Amino acid sequence: DGGITQSPKYLFRKEGQNVTLSCEQNLNHDAMYWYRQDPGQGLRLIYYSQIVNDFQKGDIAEGYSVSREKKESFPLTVTSAQKNPTAFYLCASTPGQGSSYEQYFGPGTRLTVT
Amino acid sequence: DQQVKQNSPSLSVQEGRISILNCDYTNSMFDYFLWYKKYPAEGPTFLISISSIKDKNEDGRFTVFLNKSAKHLSLHIVPSQPGDSAVYFCAASGNTGNQFYFGTGTSLTVIP
Repeated sequence: DGGITQSPKYLFRKEGQNVTLSCEQNLNHDAMYWYRQDPGQGLRLIYYSQIVNDFQKGDIAEGYSVSREKKESFPLTVTSAQKNPTAFYLCASTPGQGSSYEQYFGPGTRLTVT
Repeated sequence: DQQVKQNSPSLSVQEGRISILNCDYTNSMFDYFLWYKKYPAEGPTFLISISSIKDKNEDGRFTVFLNKSAKHLSLHIVPSQPGDSAVYFCAASGNTGNQFYFGTGTSLTVIP
């Protein structure tokens, strides 16, 4: 089955620790995205990548970092510099620029930092 | 500044009736619009989309209307079913498709 997997579903960390959220897709999509959702708010773009070894900041990139070493993988690191890391994180992909714009989403990871 | 707005946080509708969810946008460069459905603790799933060259798109019980002059789109669900109860997000993108801008969502409850 093709799709996007995110692991783990729930993640707990102590304040001051970096944490990496996994996102893998087997859809052969070129573009991948990371969003954050907070209660009562829409999805806000953190980072996106159109192609391997290239990525761009979204609206709320501060305190986050990403890498795109493989087409199918786009991990997100939440660093200790992120002031409010507790949130629901969603990874998405699209076939790429010029093709269908529909985004496919993973099931999400809920991160709690205490 | 929020470029895509959903001003109704919640909506309740009786089963069998029509649900109308609204969405407004501010950026005239947006030319592709999408609606997603989301259950708690899950990722959004794509419902229906419309490009700016159209003013209506239908898929079964779901119809999206686009009014470009008013920068407004709406999603109609007819007839509404209890399984439609979820949060609905509208999203918009420009002609590059690089970024998608999401509204804050409308929580729909369909009452049996």
